[in-house]
Amino acid sequence: NAGVTQTPKFQVLKTGQSMTLQCAQDMNHNSMYWYRQDPGMGLRLIYYSASEGTTDKGEVPNGYNVSRLNKREFSLRLESAAPSQTSVYFCASSEGFGPDTQYFGPGTRLTVL
Amino acid sequence: RKEVEQDPGPFNVPEGATVAFNCTYSNSASQSFFWYRQDCRKEPKLLMSVYSSGNEDGRFTAQLNRASQYISLLIRDSKLSDSATYLCVVPPYSGSARQLTFGSGTQLTVLP
Repeated sequence: NAGVTQTPKFQVLKTGQSMTLQCAQDMNHNSMYWYRQDPGMGLRLIYYSASEGTTDKGEVPNGYNVSRLNKREFSLRLESAAPSQTSVYFCASSEGFGPDTQYFGPGTRLTVL
Repeated sequence: RKEVEQDPGPFNVPEGATVAFNCTYSNSASQSFFWYRQDCRKEPKLLMSVYSSGNEDGRFTAQLNRASQYISLLIRDSKLSDSATYLCVVPPYSGSARQLTFGSGTQLTVLP
């Protein structure tokens, strides 16, 4: 079991470029999440997917879009990157849609110049 | 008042010491709480869940004080491997993961 995997691990973008962060889980979990983590701040939820076929906004969705491609995969897209989106992005999954254990991927470190 | 507040530290303690962190929360309706551990440049991992007054797992004890709205994490006999950032997580009463609030973390360094 690989758990939750994310690609890429590191990325540098120029302002205005677009990219997609990929996330996959092999635990047959129903719910998946995208968070960002900035220095001095807690993890903040960007988007989540309670089940296959559904997505919804979290606390900080502006500038992002998501796709729940199937039960395993949940991608995060930046259409026009901005320096304020420089952050570490974590994908997570959980069996249910509640405060049970969330399993996190290793993260993607994104720098927008 | 922030929804979840933690002392950022850093806490620097010698091996073998006992150390405690507090986490205060503002939503009095929250029923369950979590402590996650995050190693430097790694992903957070669940350390402990707290559903009632407290929970103990080996050297780690989590306690809940509903009247004062804080949870604490006590680490006894600290090991070098305990060096990490400890994140407090507070779900809302409804239990919806959509509204999970993560504290910004308390940094612990255990010194040899």
